[in-house]
Amino acid sequence: GENVEQHPSTLSVQEGDSAVIKCTYSDSASNYFPWYKQELGKGPQLIIDIRSNVGEKKDQRIAVTLNKTAKHFSLHITETQPEDSAVYFCAASKGGSSNTGKLIFGQGTTLQVKP
Amino acid sequence: DAGITQSPRYKITETGRQVTLMCHQTWSHSYMFWYRQDLGHGLRLIYYSAAADITDKGEVPDGYVVSRSKTENFPLTLESATRSQTSVYFCASSEPRGHSNYGYTFGSGTRLTVV
Repeated sequence: GENVEQHPSTLSVQEGDSAVIKCTYSDSASNYFPWYKQELGKGPQLIIDIRSNVGEKKDQRIAVTLNKTAKHFSLHITETQPEDSAVYFCAASKGGSSNTGKLIFGQGTTLQVKP
Repeated sequence: DAGITQSPRYKITETGRQVTLMCHQTWSHSYMFWYRQDLGHGLRLIYYSAAADITDKGEVPDGYVVSRSKTENFPLTLESATRSQTSVYFCASSEPRGHSNYGYTFGSGTRLTVV
């Protein structure tokens, strides 16, 4: 079945530095790649997503890049702030006629931003 | 209130008891999902539903039962709770458009402890 690998599992950065989280997926039919942020005691929240017809998408300090050939995608957070500290999940799904609506999640990355 | 709500937020139950976790969404999303979140395992899919009266197993369905008689509700029942089912349970919903997937919206979770 489809698999999504996420690295690193933990990441610690100084406030103001950049953070990068990487994911690889196994199913070449995957075409939708969302990222979620989960704060302590809360459910995951969608922060950005990208589809396979684009290579990069930005939203303020957050960007996602996609390399379909290598089957990997990354989350980039610039100018990190303490409130960026959370667990981040990547996910992948495939659409098309066999679409089940399911997302396959990575294992999560705990990001700590030190003041 | 609009959104996706889970109840109860916290539950302690005894081994062998039946317990039902509730999930209600107000958007009339077609798809609904149940995940469990355990340290070291990320988010694992238990069951999902593409529409009322249509359900299917996910990655870890054993010991769980679901139903979906109405679009807005997707209860998860543990028929005979075991300590290994101690976890945080998240419900989510989404509305694919045509063959394209969109991100999930998650509930706030139910923390279940089986003693």
